[in-house]
Amino acid sequence: NAGVTQTPKFQVLKTGQSMTLQCAQDMNHNSMYWYRQDPGMGLRLIYYSASEGTTDKGEVPNGYNVSRLNKREFSLRLESAAPSQTSVYFCASVQGAYNEQFFGPGTRLTVL
Amino acid sequence: GIQVEQSPPDLILQEGANSTLRCNFSDSVNNLQWFHQNPWGQLINLFYIPSGTKQNGRLSATTVATERYSLLYISSSQTTDSGVYFCAVGYSGTYKYIFGTGTRLKVLA
Repeated sequence: NAGVTQTPKFQVLKTGQSMTLQCAQDMNHNSMYWYRQDPGMGLRLIYYSASEGTTDKGEVPNGYNVSRLNKREFSLRLESAAPSQTSVYFCASVQGAYNEQFFGPGTRLTVL
Repeated sequence: GIQVEQSPPDLILQEGANSTLRCNFSDSVNNLQWFHQNPWGQLINLFYIPSGTKQNGRLSATTVATERYSLLYISSSQTTDSGVYFCAVGYSGTYKYIFGTGTRLKVLA
């Protein structure tokens, strides 16, 4: 099992460009999450999907959109990237609400 | 919303020393995890421990949910223990998780 996978690993964008970060899990988990981690800080929740077909905002949703494509895949889209979105983005999945989260390797995004 | 605080923020140890990291949270939780973020940025699951005590090799953790804190113990530390340790909590009625700000540990050879 690959666990949680994320693509791409690295990305450089110019201000105003758009892109989609991809996340997939093969653990048959119901819930999936997107976090961002800024330098020297903890992780902050952007969006989550408690189950297929549902999405909800986290702490810092502005500037992002998400799509729960199916049970395996949860994508994060930046429509018009800004330098403030320079960060490392992590995807995670969980089976249900009260279980262990598993994280992907992260995507390091730089917006110039 | 729920607040999660970790202490100390930074810790430097000599190899072989023991340490205790603390995670305080401001409200009742149904879910608590400890993670190690290694120097390459990877998040490694250490413990899923909403209550009670668990041990895994040189590491152990205790959560006292009624008093709203969790402790992570590292014994006989090694240089490979260096990195940042995070706790994350989830609370009743939500699928959200809140991360603490982390404890940055450096173990010197």
